[in-house]
Amino acid sequence: GAVVSQHPSRVICKSGTSVKIECRSLDFQATTMFWYRQFPKQSLMLMATSNEGSKATYEQGVEKDKFLINHASLTLSTLTVTSAHPEDSSFYICSVSGDYNEQFFGPGTRLTVL
Amino acid sequence: DAKTTQPPSMDCAEGRAANLPCNHSTISGNEYVYWYRQIHSQGPQYIIHGLKNNETNEMASLIITEDRKSSTLILPHATLRDTAVYYCIVDTGGYNKLIFGAGTRLAVHP
Repeated sequence: GAVVSQHPSRVICKSGTSVKIECRSLDFQATTMFWYRQFPKQSLMLMATSNEGSKATYEQGVEKDKFLINHASLTLSTLTVTSAHPEDSSFYICSVSGDYNEQFFGPGTRLTVL
Repeated sequence: DAKTTQPPSMDCAEGRAANLPCNHSTISGNEYVYWYRQIHSQGPQYIIHGLKNNETNEMASLIITEDRKSSTLILPHATLRDTAVYYCIVDTGGYNKLIFGAGTRLAVHP
């Protein structure tokens, strides 16, 4: 399956700052990537679908101006959490779809906002 | 809401088969059954998927009932490293969003 990396794996930032998370598809050209977040002891929730060369599609309740997604190439999508607050602290995970629409996930990025 | 129901937790002895059930009674004809697992503090891992036939790969076997209303994921020889939360998801596979339920927390013990 596809190999997906994320950077950074862990980030701590101050409230009000912006944080960028990178998701790379290392061996697969991904026209579509997905961004999820997971709060402690909860399941994954889809935030948005990232489409190469076009605007991302956000799920209901996810603020597009707060969570900026850029998918400028077939191997890289970025999620920027703008003006982060403690309630944005979460585990952010990206994924790409394989040949049979199975999804391959990155290792996740743990964001802590102080 | 997730379209599947799974037991919240299961135990299995190391070396024995782990059989994880999933009910998906409202599955439609074009929906696949996908299984993923998530080891603590890691991203989920794809395991296997199927439409109506039983499937097997190097990780697991997937048994789907004839009416497709339920399925079972089988880990033939569970190891301690198989301890994880296992998610059963039905999806058309057409870039529809994956809806993760609570999954089954499998604990493999020595």
